[in-house]
Amino acid sequence: AQSVTQLDSQVPVFEEAPVELRCNYSSSVSVYLFWYVQYPNQGLQLLLKYLSGSTLVESINGFEAEFNKSQTSFHLRKPSVHISDTAEYFCAVSALMDSSYKLIFGSGTRLLVRP
Amino acid sequence: DADVTQTPRNRITKTGKRIMLECSQTKGHDRMYWYRQDPGLGLRLIYYSFDVKDINKGEISDGYSVSRQAQAKFSLSLESAIPNQTALYFCATSEATGGDTGELFFGEGSRLTVL
Repeated sequence: AQSVTQLDSQVPVFEEAPVELRCNYSSSVSVYLFWYVQYPNQGLQLLLKYLSGSTLVESINGFEAEFNKSQTSFHLRKPSVHISDTAEYFCAVSALMDSSYKLIFGSGTRLLVRP
Repeated sequence: DADVTQTPRNRITKTGKRIMLECSQTKGHDRMYWYRQDPGLGLRLIYYSFDVKDINKGEISDGYSVSRQAQAKFSLSLESAIPNQTALYFCATSEATGGDTGELFFGEGSRLTVL
């Protein structure tokens, strides 16, 4: 069965510092990969996704993630974080189940940006 | 207005009470889902529906039931609420046409507390 591992439950970082949120998944077949963000008291919003093509994908607010097939990873990075990036981040992988794709989520990483 | 709307947004109830959480969407998607979110566990799938006549159990369906009243409406019921059903519940939609990748579109969540 597919699984997604986010090793860090919480990542504290100072404003303007770089950050990497780690995500590994278990799969031996082609997958679709997603990062969702949940700001305080809000629902989940899609941050970025890898479907095919370039292994480096970017979001509009400066985040990027790289699909690494050999390491089955999809780590999320940002070179300089802002206070407003404080949120919980969920990695997810699409798994083919019952003839359709469904998302399997990691346990989430809470990014806490301090001034 | 939100594309995926959940009501109520917050609810406090007592053990043994029947609770219904409602979800409606204007995205025109055929597929709808109910997830629950618990700290440290990420999101877990409760039920999903691919059309009005299709209902499927997810990984944690015990203690829950659903009804797909129309393409745009999908409700979740707790027939007899218990404290360990205290959680944040999310409704989500996805499209089947245009490429099935599993990408989900979420409502803003319904926070349920069972005393």
